[in-house]
Amino acid sequence: DQQVKQNSPSLSVQEGRISILNCDYTNSMFDYFLWYKKYPAEGPTFLISISSIKDKNEDGRFTVFLNKSAKHLSLHIVPSQPGDSAVYFCAATITSGTYKYIFGTGTRLKVLA
Amino acid sequence: NAGVTQTPKFRVLKTGQSMTLLCAQDMNHEYMYWYRQDPGMGLRLIHYSVGEGTTAKGEVPDGYNVSRLKKQNFLLGLESAAPSQTSVYFCASSHRQGGRYTFGSGTRLTVV
Repeated sequence: DQQVKQNSPSLSVQEGRISILNCDYTNSMFDYFLWYKKYPAEGPTFLISISSIKDKNEDGRFTVFLNKSAKHLSLHIVPSQPGDSAVYFCAATITSGTYKYIFGTGTRLKVLA
Repeated sequence: NAGVTQTPKFRVLKTGQSMTLLCAQDMNHEYMYWYRQDPGMGLRLIHYSVGEGTTAKGEVPDGYNVSRLKKQNFLLGLESAAPSQTSVYFCASSHRQGGRYTFGSGTRLTVV
């Protein structure tokens, strides 16, 4: 039972355009969400997060949107750069009572120069 | 500041052999985790620890054991390796409940 789903295994975007990565979840108890970025042969690194009390969080070129009624979050990268090419994982947790994140299956983003 | 260090980085095992993967963190984090990454499956939690001397099962614990004898170290053991355990293993740590993870660079394990 996949509680966090990333239905697009891959995405290609032209440099300078917007990249939109999507993530759906099934557990309405999740209250904190993160995006991690992973380059080949490296561990995932934290990118951006959002609490369920917000619907948007922005950090430079990266913005995460949360739609709680749809149980959906998305990561927008504007403008996309070739260095953004990586695998992106979304993750979710319940901040009280559990100690672990549930990760999605990942989306491989390729930004074309 | 090294963060989270995993050893070894690569290993090939024969079916039935045993081995231990070591994770060390120097950030004084309370919580530590072992995940495996497989194609199309994302990152799945094997075992985790909420403090020195504690361990708990995650989503896919079968075939693995763990120990957290020291706060900075979290060991993952395979007693009798199977080809299904071929994977990339990641260790992570966090300083608080629900806190963001710091990951190690991974161990690529192949069981033949």
